Amino acid sequence: DAGVTQSPTHLIKTRGQQVTLRCSPISGHKSVSWYQQVLGQGPQFIFQYYEKEERGRGNFPDRFSARQFPNYSSELNVNALLLGDSALYLCASSLVLGLDYGYTFGSGTRLTVV
Amino acid sequence: DAKTTQPTSMDCAEGRAANLPCNHSTISGNEYVYWYRQIHSQGPQYIIHGLKNNETNEMASLIITEDRKSSTLILPHATLRDTAVYYCIVLSGTYKYIFGTGTRLKVLA
Repeated sequence: DAGVTQSPTHLIKTRGQQVTLRCSPISGHKSVSWYQQVLGQGPQFIFQYYEKEERGRGNFPDRFSARQFPNYSSELNVNALLLGDSALYLCASSLVLGLDYGYTFGSGTRLTVV
Repeated sequence: DAKTTQPTSMDCAEGRAANLPCNHSTISGNEYVYWYRQIHSQGPQYIIHGLKNNETNEMASLIITEDRKSSTLILPHATLRDTAVYYCIVLSGTYKYIFGTGTRLKVLA
């Protein structure tokens, strides 16, 4: 069975540009979350979507946006890139929105802003 | 969501049990304790979670104290492949994981 798939795996962008990261959850999983992990730190929550609706947002600027599609895949968009946006972006999926289930994380997209 | 405190790093001999502690003294009654680990350059991997009772699965055991203010993740027979950063997370209804810096476990041959 395919796990959580993220694309691209690596990306280099220039300051001021825009980037779109993609995530395909495990088949049947309806919840997708996005996390940012800066080198040496734990992942930080950005967004959570369930059934195509935003259910949670972390402390990130409006330059960050996301959406979930009818097939439950998701995109994370970041506008006006800053050097500080360089990080590993992780997508996690779960079957439903509930505390009795763990999340399955993808391997992430490594974004480098130069 | 309650905050957690973990030691920065630990070493464990291969084949021995690795006991990773976590303090969550401000946990409330409806908050779960989750454990994840992250092997270098990969996404975090779910290990186990619990509310009040001790839990065991094929990967590990989770021991939660009676007052729920701390817990211990036990890897019964650590292998070199268990070398990773281990995160203890307390989660309530927001479903938002707050990761700390975790415990860097090094399994020694």
